[in-house]
Amino acid sequence: AQTVTQSQPEMSVQEAETVTLSCTYDTSESDYYLFWYKQPPSRQMILVIRQEAYKQQNATENRFSVNFQKAAKSFSLKISDSQLGDAAMYFCAYRVTGAGSYQLTFGKGTKLSVIP
Amino acid sequence: ETGVTQTPRHLVMGMTNKKSLKCEQHLGHNAMYWYKQSAKKPLELMFVYNFKEQTENNSVPSRFSPECPNSSHLFLHLHTLQPEDSALYLCASSQSVLANEQFFGPGTRLTVL
Repeated sequence: AQTVTQSQPEMSVQEAETVTLSCTYDTSESDYYLFWYKQPPSRQMILVIRQEAYKQQNATENRFSVNFQKAAKSFSLKISDSQLGDAAMYFCAYRVTGAGSYQLTFGKGTKLSVIP
Repeated sequence: ETGVTQTPRHLVMGMTNKKSLKCEQHLGHNAMYWYKQSAKKPLELMFVYNFKEQTENNSVPSRFSPECPNSSHLFLHLHTLQPEDSALYLCASSQSVLANEQFFGPGTRLTVL
């Protein structure tokens, strides 16, 4: 069974600074997707960034980037120039590719606070 | 309205009550999902519907009964719940069950007394 582990229940960062949220996963599959979702206090969860396992290049979306280490099964999220609006719960998630693979497996989340 | 909407946003019910949660997506998607989010636990997938057909039931107790009358609407009927069922219930949709991105609603905060 696949598992996703987020070892940091809470993190804080100073506004304008950089923070890295960690995520590790366990799988025997070779082809899969990894995601970071953000859930602000208003609770609507949104996709921040995704990475296909077959791609060696790390995904980036503006101030958000990932460090994907396939051999180590590690998928960390880096937020640069942190803003107050980045304060939220962040969930790492995994999904194997292919038919019959409907399930997103989530970690327990990391609560990020941004200090003005 | 755009995106995925859920009603009600908050619900308090007794263990003998019967209530329903509603989800509607305005994205033209074909797959819809119910998740349970409890404190300090990962999101738990409950049900998956693809083109109105249930494709996954993750061993959910029968006191939770889903209904998907069409690809845009998803209901979760609740009866004789337990206090441990108190949680945030999230609905999501995606273009198909194989799509890379799921779009989530704001959730219904359920409290069972």
